[in-house]
Amino acid sequence: AQSVTQLGSHVSVSEGALVLLRCNYSSSVPPYLFWYVQYPNQGLQLLLKYTSAATLVKGINGFEAEFKKSETSFHLTKPSAHMSDAAEYFCAVSEHGQNFVFGPGTRLSVLP
Amino acid sequence: EPEVTQTPSHQVTQMGQEVILRCVPISNHLYFYWYRQILGQKVEFLVSFYNNEISEKSEIFDDQFSVERPDGSNFTLKIRSTKLEDSAMYFCASSAQGQTSGTGELFFGEGSRLTVL
Repeated sequence: AQSVTQLGSHVSVSEGALVLLRCNYSSSVPPYLFWYVQYPNQGLQLLLKYTSAATLVKGINGFEAEFKKSETSFHLTKPSAHMSDAAEYFCAVSEHGQNFVFGPGTRLSVLP
Repeated sequence: EPEVTQTPSHQVTQMGQEVILRCVPISNHLYFYWYRQILGQKVEFLVSFYNNEISEKSEIFDDQFSVERPDGSNFTLKIRSTKLEDSAMYFCASSAQGQTSGTGELFFGEGSRLTVL
């Protein structure tokens, strides 16, 4: 069975600083990997996804993530944080598009 | 842009009452899901539904829960006799793809917040 860990339940960065949110996964088959964002009192919105094509995936709002098979990682980055990036971020893994498993989430705070 | 819609956005109920949460998935999608998120906690899988039957369910999805697709457009989650610990945000999701095609992206609704008193 697949699983996801996200190191750091809460990450704080200054506005303009690099954002790095960590995600490690385990899967018995080549995984599909996703990052979702949840703004306060809203649903889950897809940021980006990896589905066995390019290992560096670009998403919305300037975010990107790199799939590293050797490290079983799919860390999310953004070069320069904006106040509007403050939200909860969830990494998820699925096997062939089914059996989605979400990580515990990382709350991102952006300080002025 | 097609979206998953959920109703109600917020429901308050007394413990022991039955609750039905409704979802309208994206029209050409084939796979449907319910997830829940207790306040401040992770998103938890409840159940997946395909071809008019449950394809997978978690330990959370006990006999108090049921799902139905009554009319080809709605997808409902029923909680037969609510408990305090059922208070959570419930998310419906749908996906177009099966195991051998597509990218498996889940499209989520905005959630239904259930408060059990």
